[in-house]
Amino acid sequence: GAVVSQHPSWVICKSGTSVKIECRSLDFQATTMFWYRQFPKQSLMLMATSNEGSKATYEQGVEKDKFLINHASLTLSTLTVTSAHPEDSSFYICSAAGSSNQPQHFGDGTRLSIL
Amino acid sequence: AQTVTQSQPEMSVQEAETVTLSCTYDTSESDYYLFWYKQPPSRQMILVIRQEAYKQQNATENRFSVNFQKAAKSFSLKISDSQLGDAAMYFCAYERPRETSGSRLTFGEGTQLTVNP
Repeated sequence: GAVVSQHPSWVICKSGTSVKIECRSLDFQATTMFWYRQFPKQSLMLMATSNEGSKATYEQGVEKDKFLINHASLTLSTLTVTSAHPEDSSFYICSAAGSSNQPQHFGDGTRLSIL
Repeated sequence: AQTVTQSQPEMSVQEAETVTLSCTYDTSESDYYLFWYKQPPSRQMILVIRQEAYKQQNATENRFSVNFQKAAKSFSLKISDSQLGDAAMYFCAYERPRETSGSRLTFGEGTQLTVNP
C-alpha cells in the first residue's frame, strides 16, 4: 500500500530555533500534500494545503511566515516552524494525495516540544 | 462550509460485542466522500473505511461497516466482535472530490472508544 514517511518523529529544541519537518511519499507521486496540527485529545486541524510547484494555501489564522511550507517535488513537502516558541509545541501530521480517486495517506506525525 | 459532528466524545464496549459510533455532517454537495479514521495511542492515522456518496451500498471492511443515510446526512460506524486492539480515537471525516477547488478533509471532534476485556 501507499506509504508516507514523516521525519523526525519527535523533536525537542530550545525556544527561538527553527525546526524542519519532512513529508515524503515513498511509492506514489503526491500532487497535493496537507499539513495538520493536533493538540492532545482534539481533532486534526488543517494548517495548509500545498501543491507541487506552487505556493501553499494557508487556512485562516495560520501565519504563513511562521509555518513555511515547501513542496518542491512530487514526493517531498517540508514544513519549517520558524523561531519556534513553547506555544508551537504540538503534534504535526502530514498527508499526501495522489490521484483524485484515492484517499489521503498520512505520515506517522511529528511530536514537537519547544522548551 | 462543510461540518462534521460526532456527538459521542466517549464510548465503551465489551470485548466481542458490537458498538456503533455516530457521525452527522452538513453539506450542500451531492458528490463527496466520507471516511472513518482510527487513531490509536501511537497517534498514527489509520483509514478504517471509505464511502462514496454516489454509491447507495454501505461500505464494509471485515468487522467494520457503515450505515450511510445520505438524505439524513448520517454516517455511523459499526464495529462487530470488538477486539482490544480496536481501542482508539475514531474520527469521522468528509471530503469533496479532489478536483474541486479547496477540497480538503474535514474531521469531526472524535470519539474515544474503550474496549473492556
